[in-house]
Amino acid sequence: DAGVIQSPRHEVTEMGQEVTLRCKPISGHNSLFWYRQTMMRGLELLIYFNNNVPIDDSGMPEDRFSAKMPNASFSTLKIQPSEPRDSAVYFCASRRSGQINSPLHFGNGTRLTVT
Amino acid sequence: GESVGLHLPTLSVQEGDNSIINCAYSNSASDYFIWYKQESGKGPQFIIDIRSNMDKRQGQRVTVLLNKTVKHLSLQIAATQPGDSAVYFCAENRGSNAGGTSYGKLTFGQGTILTVHP
Repeated sequence: DAGVIQSPRHEVTEMGQEVTLRCKPISGHNSLFWYRQTMMRGLELLIYFNNNVPIDDSGMPEDRFSAKMPNASFSTLKIQPSEPRDSAVYFCASRRSGQINSPLHFGNGTRLTVT
Repeated sequence: GESVGLHLPTLSVQEGDNSIINCAYSNSASDYFIWYKQESGKGPQFIIDIRSNMDKRQGQRVTVLLNKTVKHLSLQIAATQPGDSAVYFCAENRGSNAGGTSYGKLTFGQGTILTVHP
């Protein structure tokens, strides 16, 4: 089991640039989640998908943030334009929905620094 | 200006001792709870979960206790080892169906830093 795979592990970019974070969920998992972690706010849910369909994006901070899931094995989180306050660790997680005892499995995150 | 971050509770124990990490949750309608361990540079790792119709669940070296009356959750680690040093998060699911599409909207606690001294 390869686990949830995120790329890149680290991203450093300048304010105003577009940033794209990528995630490959665990094979067979049909729910995918994007979280953001900062020292100020802890772990926050941004958006989640079920069967590739966005279910709840109420955690997405602004219109500068967008997420897509074109197929069951790939999702992207895009920030355009990026700002310094977007600096955080972004986690992707997946699970198998429909099973009560199916916990979230997290990737190792993308550490984003916007200068 | 000076940034103010979360001040995480800390627990420092000696190797071999038992550790108890506590968590207060906020929503009496929460029906599913999970403990995660996060090591530096890694994502949260599932440890153990418990549903609201239970008050205790045991795993390997870990036990989770749930007290719904006071909305309190605890994680007990037996014979704590240096490799257990990490930040521990409790998370609550506020949906009514832990197996359905509402699950996953986990709300995480701020975390507790556990340090195990050899």
